[in-house]
Amino acid sequence: QKEVEQNSGPLSVPEGAIASLNCTYSDRGSQSFFWYRQYSGKSPELIMFIYSNGDKEDGRFTAQLNKASQYVSLLIRDSQPSDSATYLCAVKLGSNYQLIWGAGTKLIIKP
Amino acid sequence: EAGVVQSPRYKIIEKKQPVAFWCNPISGHNTLYWYRQNLGQGPELLIRYENEEAVDDSQLPKDRFSAERLKGVDSTLKIQPAELGDSAVYLCASSLGDRGTDTQYFGPGTRLTVL
Repeated sequence: QKEVEQNSGPLSVPEGAIASLNCTYSDRGSQSFFWYRQYSGKSPELIMFIYSNGDKEDGRFTAQLNKASQYVSLLIRDSQPSDSATYLCAVKLGSNYQLIWGAGTKLIIKP
Repeated sequence: EAGVVQSPRYKIIEKKQPVAFWCNPISGHNTLYWYRQNLGQGPELLIRYENEEAVDDSQLPKDRFSAERLKGVDSTLKIQPAELGDSAVYLCASSLGDRGTDTQYFGPGTRLTVL
């Protein structure tokens, strides 16, 4: 059973601080990693993806991948109240390209 | 560019009734997915299509669920008969393909309530 684990939260972060979201996965053959944001009552929307070890930055967002330790993280700099949402981690298996989803971490940015 | 379109947005039915959901993917996207999402959980794949072929339906409860994508474009997901446990949000997503970093884009979803 391929698994993706996330802390369900809620994670509470003050406005302007860095929010750090973590995700671990079980399948060492996983090849690409996605972060989606989901507002309450809405559908998931892509933030970014990463497939190489290291950091990838896009505006206030940075994804970090460590394949040896089987974790991927998302950092949100200068957190805003509008960042309050559930963040879903999804991992694509290398064997059959199936996307395995975590249950999400609820993030709350406090003004 | 238009996104993934789904209808209806909301549906309330009584148990044992049939229900159908429709999805039109982003133009040019060959791969289409139907997911079910329960509150507090991630999306659960029901079926994945490559063009008109269902390439992964291992999680589709085939005794009551069916799906089709006849011309390789839009798709319909049906439940007959519906049970109380089918209450959830049904999400449709599409992508150019299903390799590597091909990204899935989601429609707004259909919120189903079974009474």
